[in-house]
Parts: sequence; C-alpha cells; structure tokens
Amino acid sequence: AAGVIQSPRHLIKEKRETATLKCYPIPRHDTVYWYQQGPGQDPQFLISFYEKMQSDKGSIPDRFSAQQFSDYHSELNMSSLELGDSALYFCASSIIQGGGRYTFGSGTRLTVV
Amino acid sequence: GDSVTQMEGPVTLSEEAFLTINCTYTATGYPSLFWYVQYPGEGLQLLLKATKADDKGSNKGFEATYRKETTSFHLEKGSVQVSDSAVYFCALTLSGGYNKLIFGAGTRLAVHP
Repeated sequence: AAGVIQSPRHLIKEKRETATLKCYPIPRHDTVYWYQQGPGQDPQFLISFYEKMQSDKGSIPDRFSAQQFSDYHSELNMSSLELGDSALYFCASSIIQGGGRYTFGSGTRLTVV
Repeated sequence: GDSVTQMEGPVTLSEEAFLTINCTYTATGYPSLFWYVQYPGEGLQLLLKATKADDKGSNKGFEATYRKETTSFHLEKGSVQVSDSAVYFCALTLSGGYNKLIFGAGTRLAVHP
C-alpha cells in the first residue's frame, strides 16, 4: 500500500540558509499536517492544509511557510535557518472524515550547522 | 487548552514483565485518543485508538481503555518483549475542525532480556 512519502530523508544546511521539505500524501487523502520534533521532544504541530487551503496553524515560525499544490503534495519552506531548527520534520495525511486515520511519513531530519 | 500528560520515562523492564504507561488528557468536547509508537530513527506508527468513552483499543498485545470519568487512556501490555523497546506517545484529536493531533511528551520504554 502507498504510504506518505517525504523527501529528502536527511538534509544538512548552514545557518541562514533556506530549506525546502516535500511531502506526498496517500492518494485521495485530502488533509496534510506538518509536525516538528526536536531531539527528545514530542511532535509539535506546525500547520495543516485541507483541499489545498491552510486549515490550521500551530507554532510555526514566521520564517517558515508552507503550501499544498494541485496534486496535493505539500512543501515546507524554511528560511534564515537557525541552529534550533534542527529537528525531525514529519508530514502526515488523512481524510478529514476518516475518523482519525492518520498516516505519518518517515520524516526529514534537518541538521543546521 | 487541550493537552495530554504522560508519565515520565524512561521505563525499564525485563522481558515478560507487565507494562503500564499512564496517560491523562484535558480537552474541551469529546476527543478521540491514540497511542503512537516510534522506533529509533523511524516515523510515528499508530498502535491503537479509541473514539468514545469505554472503548478499548488493542493491537499487538497492547490495550488501552478510554475512561471519560478519569480522563485517562493508560497503555498496558501483559508481557513485553525486547522488540517493544521504543518511544510511546499518547495523543488526542478533537471532533470537528481539522483534527490536528496533540501529543504527550512521550515515554521511552527499554526492555532487557
């Protein structure tokens, strides 16, 4: 069965650089969520999209932006990277009326040096 | 606000021991409750869920019962294995809205032979 695909798996960037993370949801899933998990921390909700429109916003820094495209894939754009942005970034997808069936990707591990 | 509180880890057990990881929640409305498991270097995997009071979720020998009167969703397993070593996250979503997951801090379980 198709899963949620995230790319890249690993990314190393320098401070003040930019990064783009991609997420390809399960086909026919209409909602995408982004989470940030710092070392030893619980996943923190960043932002979500339903049918290509932003549906909810969490603790996402102003330096970050995201969007969902016509093919339902989503991208998280991160600018002016800081050391504290080093984390595992997860994407999850679901069907809004699916009774809470979320599927998570394996994550992108971002290291800022 | 809505939140999830888990017992602190790490929890260290011998193989075949009984496991309990406590989870309590605070929520407006009627949440759905989840347990997710994260193995080293991997993404989050749904372990079990319950969507209404008195429901029992179960999977792979793990169980948790949705207790509305005590706002709890404790995870239990009668006999743990070394392969159960992972981080366990309790989470909730609220009915309605765009259903983002709210996670607890996670509990690391280490099982020794």
